[in-house]
Amino acid sequence: SQTIHQWPATLVQPVGSPLSLECTVEGTSNPNLYWYRQAAGRGLQLLFYSVGIGQISSEVPQNLSASRPQDRQFILSSKKLLLSDSGFYLCAWSIGEQYFGPGTRLTVT
Amino acid sequence: AQSVTQPDIHITVSEGASLELRCNYSYGATPYLFWYVQSPGQGLQLLLKYFSGDTLVQGIKGFEAEFKRSQSSFNLRKPSVHWSDAAEYFCAVVSYSSASKIIFGSGTRLSIRP
Repeated sequence: SQTIHQWPATLVQPVGSPLSLECTVEGTSNPNLYWYRQAAGRGLQLLFYSVGIGQISSEVPQNLSASRPQDRQFILSSKKLLLSDSGFYLCAWSIGEQYFGPGTRLTVT
Repeated sequence: AQSVTQPDIHITVSEGASLELRCNYSYGATPYLFWYVQSPGQGLQLLLKYFSGDTLVQGIKGFEAEFKRSQSSFNLRKPSVHWSDAAEYFCAVVSYSSASKIIFGSGTRLSIRP
């Protein structure tokens, strides 16, 4: 069966520091992969999606970037975090419907 | 533009009472529709999906949803809620502009009154 992993589960980082969040999927090949952000009390905002290795589509201009170095690995990065980057980050993969990872709670201080 | 609307931000129902969460969509063709549930601090879990066929869809945890094309709705129902059903519920539709994307509603937070 397919599983999706995200780490770390929680992260507290100072403003201006770099960020790297990792997502990996097991049990499937060539999935579509997604990064979402969920601010406190808000809905889901699609940040990036990828239909293949090295193929990244950005949904909103922002301080973040994404990369897909391997088929089942999706990384969310930032060179310098802003306070507004705080939130709950969710990775998902899809074969039609989407399946979500457990999320990473990021607090920028 | 394509959209999903969940008109109720927050709903409170008594344990054992019936539940209906509303979802309306705008879409030019037959939509692929979903309901997800998110417990606090957790990822989203797929409750049920509609692709085609029978318009009444059964999901996990005793939930069901009915697709009504004439009303552009896909409301989620449960005959008798349990305290463990307290969570955030999201309705979603596959984007017709990109089959790789799913458009989510803003969510409905469900609270259960003991």
